[in-house]
Amino acid sequence: QQQVKQSPQSLIVQKGGISIINCAYENTAFDYFPWYQQFPGKGPALLIAIRPDVSEKKEGRFTISFNKSAKQFSLHIMDSQPGDSATYFCAASIGAGSYQLTFGKGTKLSVIP
Amino acid sequence: GAVVSQHPSWVICKSGTSVKIECRSLDFQATTMFWYRQFPKQSLMLMATSNEGSKATYEQGVEKDKFLINHASLTLSTLTVTSAHPEDSSFYICSARDSGYGYTFGSGTRLTVV
Repeated sequence: QQQVKQSPQSLIVQKGGISIINCAYENTAFDYFPWYQQFPGKGPALLIAIRPDVSEKKEGRFTISFNKSAKQFSLHIMDSQPGDSATYFCAASIGAGSYQLTFGKGTKLSVIP
Repeated sequence: GAVVSQHPSWVICKSGTSVKIECRSLDFQATTMFWYRQFPKQSLMLMATSNEGSKATYEQGVEKDKFLINHASLTLSTLTVTSAHPEDSSFYICSARDSGYGYTFGSGTRLTVV
């Protein structure tokens, strides 16, 4: 079964600090790796995504690092703010076929002042 | 960017009744839409994949007769929870794959069956 393993389950970071969430996958056919942010009672919103042909992608305070050989990718949130407090999900999908997203179990991030 | 509108955002229904949830892609055509269920503090669980003009593909363990999915047009998919029971209470979320190879999610529907 395709899996994406996400850690940690929860994370507390001080305002201004760096939040780091890690994911590992097994299926080498995955070729699309998005990160989603979800606030309570809302649907997930795409934060940033990466393809395996690049090792890093940065958008504002959010950076994805991708290690194809280790089959790992991570989300870094720089200068974390209380407004970043949410649940973050990593995911992966295969370009062809069913296009289903396989989600990690989520990380609840709390940024404290 | 791509927008997916999901309605209603919350609904309370009596046990034994049916509830319909709509998912619309507002500014793009969605050949494929996905329906998820999410329990508190858990990840999204894929229920079914819906393709326009064809029958939905349900994940193992999901009752297709209880969760009826219709994807009659390129912009609308509906999920009907039939004969709802309290154990069907959950957060239901739809998603559509847009032409840019991204996935856009609706805002979710909180279903409470009393």
